[in-house]
Amino acid sequence: TQLLEQSPQFLSIQEGENLTVYCNSSSVFSSLQWYRQEPGEGPVLLVTVVTGGEVKKLKRLTFQFGDARKDSSLHITAAQPGDTGLYLCAGAPTDNQGGKLIFGQGTELSVKP
Amino acid sequence: ETGVTQTPRHLVMGMTNKKSLKCEQHLGHNAMYWYKQSAKKPLELMFVYSLEERVENNSVPSRFSPECPNSSHLFLHLHTLQPEDSALYLCASSQRRETGELYGYTFGSGTRLTVV
Repeated sequence: TQLLEQSPQFLSIQEGENLTVYCNSSSVFSSLQWYRQEPGEGPVLLVTVVTGGEVKKLKRLTFQFGDARKDSSLHITAAQPGDTGLYLCAGAPTDNQGGKLIFGQGTELSVKP
Repeated sequence: ETGVTQTPRHLVMGMTNKKSLKCEQHLGHNAMYWYKQSAKKPLELMFVYSLEERVENNSVPSRFSPECPNSSHLFLHLHTLQPEDSALYLCASSQRRETGELYGYTFGSGTRLTVV
């Protein structure tokens, strides 16, 4: 069974601080995605990374896919209260029958003004 | 209307009731999914309909029954549920290539189900 471990599970910081969320596995994934979920809503796709070592930036968010395609990180610079939410990583298995994604358990981020 | 729409948003049902959750996508995607989201657990895949092929997760109890009449609609039929089935049920769609590669999911807002 393929698993994705996210850390930390909870993170409470002050506005303006930087933070990094990690997503690790012993399995290789063909691609990895990051989602953000707000209370009462479904997750919303932030980014997809496909190539080992790939780095993508989305404003203050930087996403990296590990060289071996087993891990990923999300770095937020100068966090704002609007960044508060549940961040989920999700990997597409290399033998992806049916198009399923494996999700991590999520990182709950709270950014205080 | 665009995106993925789920109805109802909230549902309270007794253990002897029968109800159905509905999901509709207006994105032209060729794959649809049901996920269960419980507190402090990763999203659990329940069912997949992909490229007109149904892929089931064998660990899903038979009291959950999916139906996909066409590529735009997905239902989850519920009967004789247990209190531990209370959770947020999320529907998602994606565009999947025949080679197996897929793009990101578009999720609906979910149905918050409470079994009493």
